[in-house]
Amino acid sequence: TQTVSQSDAHVTVFEGDSVELRCNYSYGGSIYLSWYIQHHGRGLQFLLKYYSGNPVVQGVNGFKAEFSKSDSSFHLRKASVHWSDSAVYFCAVSARDMGYKLTFGTGTSLLVDP
Amino acid sequence: DAAVTQKPRYLIKMKGQEAEMKCIPEKGHTAVFWYQQKQSKELKFLIYFQNQQPLDQIDMVKERFSAVCPSSSLCSLGIRTCEAEDSALYLCSSSPGDWGAEQYFGPGTRLTVL
Repeated sequence: TQTVSQSDAHVTVFEGDSVELRCNYSYGGSIYLSWYIQHHGRGLQFLLKYYSGNPVVQGVNGFKAEFSKSDSSFHLRKASVHWSDSAVYFCAVSARDMGYKLTFGTGTSLLVDP
Repeated sequence: DAAVTQKPRYLIKMKGQEAEMKCIPEKGHTAVFWYQQKQSKELKFLIYFQNQQPLDQIDMVKERFSAVCPSSSLCSLGIRTCEAEDSALYLCSSSPGDWGAEQYFGPGTRLTVL
C-alpha cells in the first residue's frame, strides 16, 4: 500500500516570505512523486514531478521540490510567495505496480497574506 | 483554462435518483481518471480507463457506479442510486497514457444529494 502524508493542514505566511510544504511518502517500489495545486473552486493543476536523477526539481511559478530517499520526503518550496499562490497543494504518488492512478495526500491549504 | 471539459458543473439530485456526469478528455490523451473529492480535500481515486477500457477501479464503483468511455473524446460517470455520502466534487483527468505522465484535470462536477 502506498501512502502520502502532508503534516500541515494549513500554512499562513506573508507575501514575500519563503514557504515549505511538507510531504512524506511510504512505498518501497518504483514511484513518481508529484505536486498539484488547486485554487478555490477549480480543478487541479500540475506543478512538478520527480522520478530519478537530480533530487531537486524545478516547477512552474518558482516552485521547486527536493526528494530525499533517506527521509522518504518530497517537500515543496518557494523562495518568495505571492498572494496568488494561496491555494491547496497536494502531494501525490504513482506506483508502477499499483496502476497509473495518483494517491494523494490530504492537502495543505496555503494562505498568503498581502 | 482547463483542457479537460466536464459537464455539468453543478448537479443536484434527491436521494435515490440517478446521476450522470460527463468528461471530455484532452485530445490525444489515452488515459482517463475519475476522482472524488469531499470537503475540498481528500481526493479518492475511483476508476481509470486506458484506450477506453477500464483497467482499475475501486469496489464502490463496481457496486454503485457506472462508468464508460464510449469514445476517445467522451467519458461518463454515473451513480445508479444517489446517497447523501455521494455529495462531492467529481474530478476527471486525462493523460497521454504513460506511467508517471502528468494528469490534466477538469474543473469538476459538484454533486449535491438532498
